[in-house]
Amino acid sequence: QKEVEQNSGPLSVPEGAIASLNCTYSDRGSQSFFWYRQYSGKSPELIMFIYSNGDKEDGRFTAQLNKASQYVSLLIRDSQPSDSATYLCAVSGGSYIPTFGRGTSLIVHP
Amino acid sequence: EAGVTQFPSHSVIEKGQTVTLRCDPISGHDNLYWYRRVMGKEIKFLLHFVKESKQDESGMPNNRFLAERTGGTYSTLKVQPAELEDSGVYFCASRPDRTTAEAFFGQGTRLTVV
Repeated sequence: QKEVEQNSGPLSVPEGAIASLNCTYSDRGSQSFFWYRQYSGKSPELIMFIYSNGDKEDGRFTAQLNKASQYVSLLIRDSQPSDSATYLCAVSGGSYIPTFGRGTSLIVHP
Repeated sequence: EAGVTQFPSHSVIEKGQTVTLRCDPISGHDNLYWYRRVMGKEIKFLLHFVKESKQDESGMPNNRFLAERTGGTYSTLKVQPAELEDSGVYFCASRPDRTTAEAFFGQGTRLTVV
């Protein structure tokens, strides 16, 4: 069974700090990796995706992928209170059906 | 452009009743997914349509759940008869084609079975 593991948190960081969210996955055949942000009562919103080993930066967000270690992370620089949400890691293979982790709750306090 | 829309946003029904959830994907998206999140658990895959065909329904919990996508446009997910453990948030997502892996989610339907 394909699994995606995340620490449920909450991860609490001060405003302006770097938040580091981590995710491991079990299926070595996974090809696509996603980070979704979900505010309470809202739908998951895609914020980052990465396909290749290494780093991918988009504004304050950086996704990091290490396929050998089956590890994907999301860094949020200059964290803001508006970044407080649950961050879902999702992984898919050739079928393009994302498998989700439970999510990590992030709290950015002023 | 309209996103993925789901109806209703909330539904409270009694055990044994029937409920039908609807999803309208983003126009032109061939791929449509249903997911469910029960309290405290991860979002779990239910099934995948490509146009009107069921590509993968391995996540459907049992035969009380029936999904359809007539004409390859909107989809419905019917639960009959509903049980208490069916409570959760049902999400629909759509994806345009085989070359695009990113899926876009609707706001979800919160189903409560009492």
